[in-house]
Amino acid sequence: EAGVAQSPRYKIIEKRQSVAFWCNPISGHATLYWYQQILGQGPKLLIQFQNNGVVDDSQLPKDRFSAERLKGVDSTLKIQPAKLEDSAVYLCASSSGIAETQYFGPGTRLLVL
Amino acid sequence: AQSVAQPEDQVNVAEGNPLTVKCTYSVSGNPYLFWYVQYPNRGLQFLLKYITGDNLVKGSYGFEAEFNKSQTSFHLKKPSALVSDSALYFCAVRDPASNSGYALNFGKGTSLLVTP
Repeated sequence: EAGVAQSPRYKIIEKRQSVAFWCNPISGHATLYWYQQILGQGPKLLIQFQNNGVVDDSQLPKDRFSAERLKGVDSTLKIQPAKLEDSAVYLCASSSGIAETQYFGPGTRLLVL
Repeated sequence: AQSVAQPEDQVNVAEGNPLTVKCTYSVSGNPYLFWYVQYPNRGLQFLLKYITGDNLVKGSYGFEAEFNKSQTSFHLKKPSALVSDSALYFCAVRDPASNSGYALNFGKGTSLLVTP
C-alpha cells in the first residue's frame, strides 16, 4: 500500500512570509498527526485529527499556525507569518485508529531566512 | 507527565558486533513503547512496539527490544550490526492513561554508526 505523502519536500521562505504544507495519509487511516522536528531533537506533536475533528492541538502555536482536514482525508498545515525558529522538518503521520501504530511521511524541510 | 530519555547521543559499533541503543521512560500508567529509525532526508520508519505481553519484542530488520518494567527501560538491540543500520534511532512512549490523545512523546534520538 502507498505510504503517507507530503509536499513540498523542501521550502525556503523569508521571515514574515506564509507557507503551507500538504499531507495525504495512508488510505483508510482515520487519524492524522502533524509533528515538528527541530534539528537535533525528536519530533514534537503539533496537532492530531480524528477524521476531520481535532483531538489535540495543545502544542500548536495558534497565533501563527493553523491546520485543517476538511474532508477527513488530506490535511494542510499553514504558518503565517513565519519566524526564524520555525525552521524545522514538518512530519505528517497517520494511523488506522487513535491507539494504533503511526506511520510517517518523508517530511517537509522548512528553512526560514 | 510522560517522558523519554535516550542517554547516548551517538553509539559506535563495528559491523558484526551486537548493538544496543538505550531508552528509559517515565509515565504514570502502563506505557506503550515504540522504536523508530530515521535515515537521512527521510521520515521515521516504524521498527517495533511494546503494548503488553512478552517483554521481548521482535521487529523489522532483525531488531528487538526488551521491556523492563522495574528499570523503566526499553533498550533496542540487534545481535549482529550491519553498516546499513547506521541511522538515527528514536524511542517514543505513549501513556494510555493520559488525555493527550495518544500522541507519541519522542526522545531526542541516538545516532548509530556502524563501521566496516
